[in-house]
Amino acid sequence: KAGVTQTPRYLIKTRGQQVTLSCSPISGHRSVSWYQQTPGQGLQFLFEYFSETQRNKGNFPGRFSGRQFSNSRSEMNVSTLELGDSALYLCASSLDPKIPNTEAFFGQGTRLTVV
Amino acid sequence: LAKTTQPISMDSYEGQEVNITCSHNNIATNDYITWYQQFPSQGPRFIIQGYKTKVTNEVASLFIPADRKSSTLSLPRVSLSDTAVYYCLVGERRGTSYGKLTFGQGTILTVHP
Repeated sequence: KAGVTQTPRYLIKTRGQQVTLSCSPISGHRSVSWYQQTPGQGLQFLFEYFSETQRNKGNFPGRFSGRQFSNSRSEMNVSTLELGDSALYLCASSLDPKIPNTEAFFGQGTRLTVV
Repeated sequence: LAKTTQPISMDSYEGQEVNITCSHNNIATNDYITWYQQFPSQGPRFIIQGYKTKVTNEVASLFIPADRKSSTLSLPRVSLSDTAVYYCLVGERRGTSYGKLTFGQGTILTVHP
């Protein structure tokens, strides 16, 4: 069974540009969450999608957005990139959101560097 | 939202048992306790989850006292490959904040030869 796949693995962008990251969850998983990890702030929740709907959102500016497709694949977009957006972006998928605290499976992440 | 406190770092040697304790004084009745492991430049990996007493799987054991205000992750006979960051999480209640895992600072475990 394939795990969570994130593409690309590495990305270098210039300030002011925008970027789109992709996440393919484990087959059958309908919940996809995104996280940002930086040395200073640690792992922080960005948002969660289930059945193409954003159900939960973290404390990030509107430059960070996402969407989920009918096949549960998800993308996140960051517009007007800032140096501080350099981070490891992680995607996690879960099987059944009705089960509290169900196990989340993480991808290997996309390392974004903004120069 | 229950806040967790765990040691910033720990050192151990190969073959030893490692116990990492996490404090969560404000844990709610319906909250679960979950531990994740993370290697550099990889996503966190689920280790174990429990509600009360003791849970054991092929990787670790989780001890939770009756008051549930703390928990201890026990790793038997660690090896160099267990060097990683270990996160203790207290889960959200059913019906709220699906998909959101709140990570603290984690514990950097270094296993020495």
